[in-house]
This record gives sequence, C-alpha cells and structure tokens, in this order.
Amino acid sequence: RKEVEQDPGPFNVPEGATVAFNCTYSNSASQSFFWYRQDCRKEPKLLMSVYSSGNEDGRFTAQLNRASQYISLLIRDSKLSDSATYLCVVGRGRRALTFGSGTRLQVQP
Amino acid sequence: GAGVSQSPSNKVTEKGKDVELRCDPISGHTALYWYRQSLGQGLEFLIYFQGNSAPDKSGLPSDRFSAERTGGSVSTLTIQRTQQEDSAVYLCASSSGTSGGQETQYFGPGTRLLVL
Repeated sequence: RKEVEQDPGPFNVPEGATVAFNCTYSNSASQSFFWYRQDCRKEPKLLMSVYSSGNEDGRFTAQLNRASQYISLLIRDSKLSDSATYLCVVGRGRRALTFGSGTRLQVQP
Repeated sequence: GAGVSQSPSNKVTEKGKDVELRCDPISGHTALYWYRQSLGQGLEFLIYFQGNSAPDKSGLPSDRFSAERTGGSVSTLTIQRTQQEDSAVYLCASSSGTSGGQETQYFGPGTRLLVL
C-alpha cells in the first residue's frame, strides 16, 4: 500500500465549478501535511500547508481529518488557470516528505 | 532572491555512459533532496541530505546511483552505466531544515534525462 494515495483523475470541470480532492495517508504518525501544485512540464510548487483546524486561502480550503487519515482540498469558483496536477504531501519524523502521485484537474471554458 | 537551480536542463546520453546532474540549493538551506519523475508519474524520492548528518539514501534504486553534497551546498547526482529506464526528469529541492525535513520544499526546474 502506498504511503499517500490520491485519485489520479482527471477531474474535468467547467469554469466556476467547485471541485474537491481527497487524499489518504497510511501512517498515523504523520505530522505535517501540504498540497503542492504541479503544472505540465514544470516543477511542483507549494499551494498551501494543511493545519489541524483547517485553513483557507482565497478560493482554496484545506481540511485534515487525523482520525480517518485523510486530507482534502476544495477549490471554489474554478478558473482555467487552476488546471494542473495537485499533489498531496505528508511528512513525519526526520524524513523527507512523501509525495502522492497527484490528481489532475482540467478546468474547461 | 535566487531559487534552486539545476544543470543541465536537458541531457541526452547513450546507454552505458555515466552522467552527472548538478543542484544549487537556495542559499542557507541545510536540507537538500533529489527526486525522480517519469513521464506521467508521481515523484519518486531518491536521497535526502540534512546538514552534516548521514544522508538518507533509502530511495536510491540501485548502486548505479550515488549523490554527494560538498560543503553543505551544491549537490551532484551521478548515474553510472545509464539504462533506458533511467530516462526521467530529475528534480532537486531544498528546504530550511529548521523542522527536520517537515518544512516547505522549494524545487528546481529539473534536469530532463534521455538515455538512448
């Protein structure tokens, strides 16, 4: 079983739609959580950290459920520029972060 | 300020040759990571350097792969006797190291390696 699992998608949504991605992690000792964004043929970039209480950054909302070991990302009012692959990232201890394989989002006009 | 830089940006080599990929981390970052990403796939962790500690080499796929980090800054990933399955984008990232690897990683643009 992979340490971080994501639905690969693609999610095809119209502009203005709300879309949600989930991610599950296998190790209950995980301590830090992030969402990264990767555009086609580009390097990953941090989208947002995920905090226990949930956090919001503009149109983006991240939630963490430690009991069920899943993380979610909600994107409201999707824009064409949101089209990318979204990587769920988990960390624990003094180890490198573990990246999920990503969920591809395609926002259509 | 300057981000993570990698060179070369593209490398084409013949099967069996050795290649060296270079990474310059963000100045002051003590942690440095190498990943590999095959076409359409996720990131595969290769190796992690943190300060003067012994590197975490648990992700290196074979003994043909090695990496070093000189002076706590620049890192070189070496692939000996390259195989076609080594073709991928090799990404380097660095982070401040202040949270033992749990902090934000900043990625370089990657080196696209093609083994013919």
